[in-house]
Amino acid sequence: AQKVTQAQTEISVVEKEDVTLDCVYETRDTTYYLFWYKQPPSGELVFLIRRNSFDEQNEISGRYSWNFQKSTSSFNFTITASQVVDSAVYFCALSEGGTGGGNKLTFGTGTQLKVEL
Amino acid sequence: GAVVSQHPSRVICKSGTSVKIECRSLDFQATTMFWYRQFPKQSLMLMATSNEGSKATYEQGVEKDKFLINHASLTLSTLTVTSAHPEDSSFYICSAYPGQGAKTQYFGPGTRLLVL
Repeated sequence: AQKVTQAQTEISVVEKEDVTLDCVYETRDTTYYLFWYKQPPSGELVFLIRRNSFDEQNEISGRYSWNFQKSTSSFNFTITASQVVDSAVYFCALSEGGTGGGNKLTFGTGTQLKVEL
Repeated sequence: GAVVSQHPSRVICKSGTSVKIECRSLDFQATTMFWYRQFPKQSLMLMATSNEGSKATYEQGVEKDKFLINHASLTLSTLTVTSAHPEDSSFYICSAYPGQGAKTQYFGPGTRLLVL
């Protein structure tokens, strides 16, 4: 069975600090996809990134970066120079199988990030 | 692009009544739609997966007679909570998948249901 663990329930940082959100996953499939979503107070999930199990390259997008390590089953998310607008709940998610976004998602419990001035 | 709407955004009803929630993909056709439930400060739990014109596939533990899902067209899915009770109070979120290799499902803004 697939499982996603986000051990950090809540993180508070001061603006401009770097912060890393941890995600550990479990799956028996060799083909799977990992996702990160942001859920601001409004409630709507915003897609941030998708990674497939065959691509371990790290990715950087502006202030966001992701570190995928199959050896430790982790897919961590770092925000550099955090801003107040980054305050939200961040979810890591996993889908098994080959169609990526069209398969059901298993979500972690989320990490509430609070960025203060 | 890839906008998903939900209606209503918030609903309060009396125990024993039924509530219908609509999920629409506004600018794309969705081969598959998903319904999730989120309790306060908790994760999203998948309730069911629906494909247009087919019966929904429910996750284990979800009562299909209580949570009726109809996927009438490629842009509309509805979730009806029948004979709602206070324990059904929750945040219900739908998502829609465009197919054609899209990277992700696109999520609606959610519907907050409060059953008194």
